[in-house]
Amino acid sequence: GAGVSQSPSNKVTEKGKDVELRCDPISGHTALYWYRQSLGQGLEFLIYFQGNSAPDKSGLPSDRFSAERTGGSVSTLTIQRTQQEDSAVYLCASSGQWGTDTQYFGPGTRLTVL
Amino acid sequence: AQTVTQSQPEMSVQEAETVTLSCTYDTSESDYYLFWYKQPPSRQMILVIRQEAYKQQNATENRFSVNFQKAAKSFSLKISDSQLGDAAMYFCAYRSAYLRGSQGNLIFGKGTKLSVKP
Repeated sequence: GAGVSQSPSNKVTEKGKDVELRCDPISGHTALYWYRQSLGQGLEFLIYFQGNSAPDKSGLPSDRFSAERTGGSVSTLTIQRTQQEDSAVYLCASSGQWGTDTQYFGPGTRLTVL
Repeated sequence: AQTVTQSQPEMSVQEAETVTLSCTYDTSESDYYLFWYKQPPSRQMILVIRQEAYKQQNATENRFSVNFQKAAKSFSLKISDSQLGDAAMYFCAYRSAYLRGSQGNLIFGKGTKLSVKP
């Protein structure tokens, strides 16, 4: 079946603009994760959704970052007033259930803030 | 807090030879999962192999196998008969089996860049 998809593949924006990144998980997967991959910090956890429960936002680096998940499926990560340090690859992963299932990753969105 | 350390930023192997990538981790938990992911230049993170901490037997997937030493908190990846397509970044990752709060997210090492020479 189809894997995790993300769009856009690449995004270039100007400092101060808002951006939206989209993730479409594997059909039937209830858990969805966002990670950020940057040269300086490596791979960092950002936010986690499980079914209809309130998301775990403990990894979000600032209040400029937010995410939502509509209908328990597609998720959007929004970065407001982008800064140059937000430049990174944003990876989305989904899994069948928390605890035991493996996370499967999408191809990521490369964000460049000029 | 759990940490994952990959002490080899770069490794190189000759095609058809064997290479071992190192990973150590720190945790006070007794039940957890360990993973090796491969990330080629396409950015797609691909699962290579997975190990449950409660299993003593080392996981294997075709040419890929692990040496899991729970007491030493070591989880190395062995790639046999290396192929050009194995060239990529390899990430070791930890995930707790105790599900509370943000547990469930992966904690990654910094990665090892593997080059395969023809």
